[in-house]
Amino acid sequence: GDSVTQMEGPVTLSEEAFLTINCTYTATGYPSLFWYVQYPGEGLQLLLKATKADDKGSNKGFEATYRKETTSFHLEKGSVQVSDSAVYFCALTSNRDDKIIFGKGTRLHILP
Amino acid sequence: EPEVTQTPSHQVTQMGQEVILRCVPISNHLYFYWYRQILGQKVEFLVSFYNNEISEKSEIFDDQFSVERPDGSNFTLKIRSTKLEDSAMYFCASSNIGRPETQYFGPGTRLLVL
Repeated sequence: GDSVTQMEGPVTLSEEAFLTINCTYTATGYPSLFWYVQYPGEGLQLLLKATKADDKGSNKGFEATYRKETTSFHLEKGSVQVSDSAVYFCALTSNRDDKIIFGKGTRLHILP
Repeated sequence: EPEVTQTPSHQVTQMGQEVILRCVPISNHLYFYWYRQILGQKVEFLVSFYNNEISEKSEIFDDQFSVERPDGSNFTLKIRSTKLEDSAMYFCASSNIGRPETQYFGPGTRLLVL
């Protein structure tokens, strides 16, 4: 079945460092891809999405490009801030239904 | 900004007991969902609910689980006889049009079964 694999955490970086969180997927057809973020005490929030190959999703300085050839959707940010500390979830939907298939999540700690 | 709320934030129960997890979706939303995340594992879809009936459920959602929208505001998940392996974070979500990217998630209820 469809699945998402993302890098294990926690990831600890210093402020202003470059961030990459790897995500790869397995899916039949043409899934839509997402990154969600969960800040402490809050629900999962949609961070960005891409619905077809080569699309780039972006929001709040984060970017991810839908790479069909490598079945990847890596999350990147050029300069992280302490406020980016959260858990990040890579996810997909099959477009056959409205359920979301998530990865395990990657906890990110940013040190001042 | 409207948000999905869940109560309680934490629940501890004895194996075999019934628990009810509560969610208050965003008021004009029509589609409702439950997901769970066992510690260290993926967030898994449990069930979707629309028009007062289940529209889809996963293999996890067996006979010990049930969902209900008892009034115009609450959406509940009942686990009839809890097992140790039900210990997880349970997330509720709601959507106004049923598209995945329009699902708003609550902060979760952490359930611990002893």
